[in-house]
Amino acid sequence: LAKTTQPISMDSYEGQEVNITCSHNNIATNDYITWYQQFPSQGPRFIIQGYKTKVTNEVASLFIPADRKSSTLSLPRVSLSDTAVYYCLVGGTGTASKLTFGTGTRLQVTL
Amino acid sequence: GAVVSQHPSRVICKSGTSVKIECRSLDFQATTMFWYRQFPKQSLMLMATSNEGSKATYEQGVEKDKFLINHASLTLSTLTVTSAHPEDSSFYICSARPIGRALNTEAFFGQGTRLTVV
Repeated sequence: LAKTTQPISMDSYEGQEVNITCSHNNIATNDYITWYQQFPSQGPRFIIQGYKTKVTNEVASLFIPADRKSSTLSLPRVSLSDTAVYYCLVGGTGTASKLTFGTGTRLQVTL
Repeated sequence: GAVVSQHPSRVICKSGTSVKIECRSLDFQATTMFWYRQFPKQSLMLMATSNEGSKATYEQGVEKDKFLINHASLTLSTLTVTSAHPEDSSFYICSARPIGRALNTEAFFGQGTRLTVV
């Protein structure tokens, strides 16, 4: 399973755009990149998933360069409620595919 | 999105007793479910893979006789912590992906179960 590396923590002010980069140098051809958000004492919640180039949904964008060895989660105009831990995961998406969590990035949003 | 529900959400038990945690997929079926453990301020650690109709597979270092897993149906997996001790106190989370959907479907997680052993 590809190992991921993310910054341990980030700080941001409300209303700013936040970009969290994840390194996954050993990503396999069939691996997808998925980001999850976790609030204290809750299970992780899916944010976005991609394979290559750019993916955008109603809450975030995911940028993946051509070599796929890294990815960047972009959160536009964060609010206090975006304070959470963000995990970048790399792996297969079959029903039996394991998800291995790295350290995650603890994002603190303040006024 | 699909819903995974865990029960109980919080449990306190005495040292030496056993505790059962249920993980249900409410609106989809899953042949495989995953169990994680998370200690305070740490990441999720995969404990085992629960397989419907067959034995669970455990990650290295996880005692299979202590953490009993049963996946009796396509919508229910249970984790039983046997002879619990204070060091087993943790946040237990399950996840699953629906069968019969596109291959790139995301995994859905339960809300977690906070186990405290006193």
